[in-house]
Amino acid sequence: AQSVTQLDSQVPVFEEAPVELRCNYSSSVSVYLFWYVQYPNQGLQLLLKYLSGSTLVKGINGFEAEFNKSQTSFHLRKPSVHISDTAEYFCAVMVGGGGADGLTFGKGTHLIIQP
Amino acid sequence: DTGVSQDPRHKITKRGQNVTFRCDPISEHNRLYWYRQTLGQGPEFLTYFQNEAQLEKSRLLSDRFSAERPKGSFSTLEIQRTEQGDSAMYLCASSPRKETQYFGPGTRLLVL
Repeated sequence: AQSVTQLDSQVPVFEEAPVELRCNYSSSVSVYLFWYVQYPNQGLQLLLKYLSGSTLVKGINGFEAEFNKSQTSFHLRKPSVHISDTAEYFCAVMVGGGGADGLTFGKGTHLIIQP
Repeated sequence: DTGVSQDPRHKITKRGQNVTFRCDPISEHNRLYWYRQTLGQGPEFLTYFQNEAQLEKSRLLSDRFSAERPKGSFSTLEIQRTEQGDSAMYLCASSPRKETQYFGPGTRLLVL
């Protein structure tokens, strides 16, 4: 079985500052990795995903993430945040290849942007 | 692309009642998923359909829960004899491929 740990439940950051949201995963098989964002009272929106290939993945809204297999991490970064980035961010893992289809999510990190 | 839609968006019910939620996926997406999200937690996978076939079920899906996708298009999730612990956001997602899931806005259930 897979599991995801998001080390910070809340991350306060000043506007225009950089941010890193941490994610570690556990799996005995190869996995796909994802970051989703959830704005209040809305569904989940995919920010970016890692399937294979380059370990640095670029997504929407200026976010990027780096897959580190040796550290089993997939941290999310943005060089300069905006008020509109205030939301809940979820890291998720899925068995790669032809394995099971369901996503396993972490508990989420609430990104709080301070003016 | 009209997106994934879910109905109703909110449901309040009394303990012991049955409730049914509907999910309309993006057209031509053959994969459809149900997840449950409780307050302060990430979504948890419940079940997965490919066309009309239910291929995966989580152990979270107790006997009181049943999901169908009769014609391979919309899906329903029914909870029988609701309990207060069933209060959650129920999310539906659809996808053309397993690694690209598009989520709907969810149905928020409150069991009194």
